[in-house]
Amino acid sequence: QQQVKQSPQSLIVQKGGISIINCAYENTAFDYFPWYQQFPGKGPALLIAIRPDVSEKKEGRFTISFNKSAKQFSLHIMDSQPGDSATYFCAALPSLHDKIIFGKGTRLHILP
Amino acid sequence: DAEITQSPRHKITETGRQVTLACHQTWNHNNMFWYRQDLGHGLRLIHYSYGVHDTNKGEVSDGYSVSRSNTEDLPLTLESAASSQTSVYFCASSQGVNNEQFFGPGTRLTVL
Repeated sequence: QQQVKQSPQSLIVQKGGISIINCAYENTAFDYFPWYQQFPGKGPALLIAIRPDVSEKKEGRFTISFNKSAKQFSLHIMDSQPGDSATYFCAALPSLHDKIIFGKGTRLHILP
Repeated sequence: DAEITQSPRHKITETGRQVTLACHQTWNHNNMFWYRQDLGHGLRLIHYSYGVHDTNKGEVSDGYSVSRSNTEDLPLTLESAASSQTSVYFCASSQGVNNEQFFGPGTRLTVL
């Protein structure tokens, strides 16, 4: 009920390509969906977030697509760069709560 | 600049010993969290606090305890360290509801 399922576990993309990471959830009480980016040896940091009242949010090369009826959301990284190589976590929070439920992460590697 | 720090950054201990990991934030955030990160499991919540003297169990709280005597600090104690508690531990803080969590740099703990 509380899970956020993330795929793939790892992803290799050529420089300039599009990286796509998918997540799905079951709990309809979730109403805030952040993505965190983590570089080796560092703590995760917020990358971009969306609320279910919009279907898409774009910040630079990073876009979240949200499908409320399917309970799925995804991160697209356009024109992927070697500096984007990191682990990405999708997450969800229920309303009026600050306890994040994280996906298991996707290790992204961008080939130079 | 406001920040969140963790100490020590690396710790090696023996099975059965008590270990305390420190977390200190200077944002004056009400909410503080402890996670552990393991390959294949992502980030799992251990304990969290919404204010002074408030503590709550997370998903994997067995064998761990926390106390919140002031706003800035949330130390994590392993009462009797076990090899299964070898992991990377992250502390995080946030303010309000559905707001960004700021993560510390992590503590790598090895229990021999």
